[in-house]
Amino acid sequence: SQQGEEDPQALSIQEGENATMNCSYKTSINNLQWYRQNSGRGLVHLILIRSNEREKHSGRLRVTLDTSKKSSSLLITASRAADTASYFCATDGATDSWGKLQFGAGTQVVVTP
Amino acid sequence: DTAVSQTPKYLVTQMGNDKSIKCEQNLGHDTMYWYKQDSKKFLKIMFSYNNKELIINETVPNRFSPKSPDKAHLNLHINSLELGDSAVYFCASSQDGESWYDYTIYFGEGSWLTVV
Repeated sequence: SQQGEEDPQALSIQEGENATMNCSYKTSINNLQWYRQNSGRGLVHLILIRSNEREKHSGRLRVTLDTSKKSSSLLITASRAADTASYFCATDGATDSWGKLQFGAGTQVVVTP
Repeated sequence: DTAVSQTPKYLVTQMGNDKSIKCEQNLGHDTMYWYKQDSKKFLKIMFSYNNKELIINETVPNRFSPKSPDKAHLNLHINSLELGDSAVYFCASSQDGESWYDYTIYFGEGSWLTVV
């Protein structure tokens, strides 16, 4: 079964708007990571948040983590057409082997000019 | 230079055939992985190797055999291909020695396998 589940499955916004997507997971984690996948391409690492962190920023990205609710959110501010992609959360379980990331099914984001 | 490169990018083959996907990373990483992404975009780890040693072997049919000739290469060989093997296969790598809390997995561009 999938560890992470993203919500919503799809999101359509206009350039300049903010995009927010959520991720829920089931077991204890070491960290939670967000990746982006452009159509027909590989996954690109965006940001990692440790289990003892609550919020992290990287450029236009803001990630929050609530371990009590086993959930995370990714906010993309001032979105651009180039942000059109699928976004995945991945968790590194506390009892799992190194690098055994559990991915969700992703949120497909479409940013229209 | 591509950090994690895999070939071929597209592969169409008939059921019952044997095929290989090759992967190379030039990042000097110690750990390499194979992930499978199905048609619903679920991504799941198949194998990982650390310095040529198998450390993760998920519940994958034994028709799938990874081979790591050196720590920069991790190839995936698939015997007796079935329709259900159609998917995108991603090779990836990461560096040892980083904190358990901080590491990045670098993915290749994927190999689209279609079994007909």
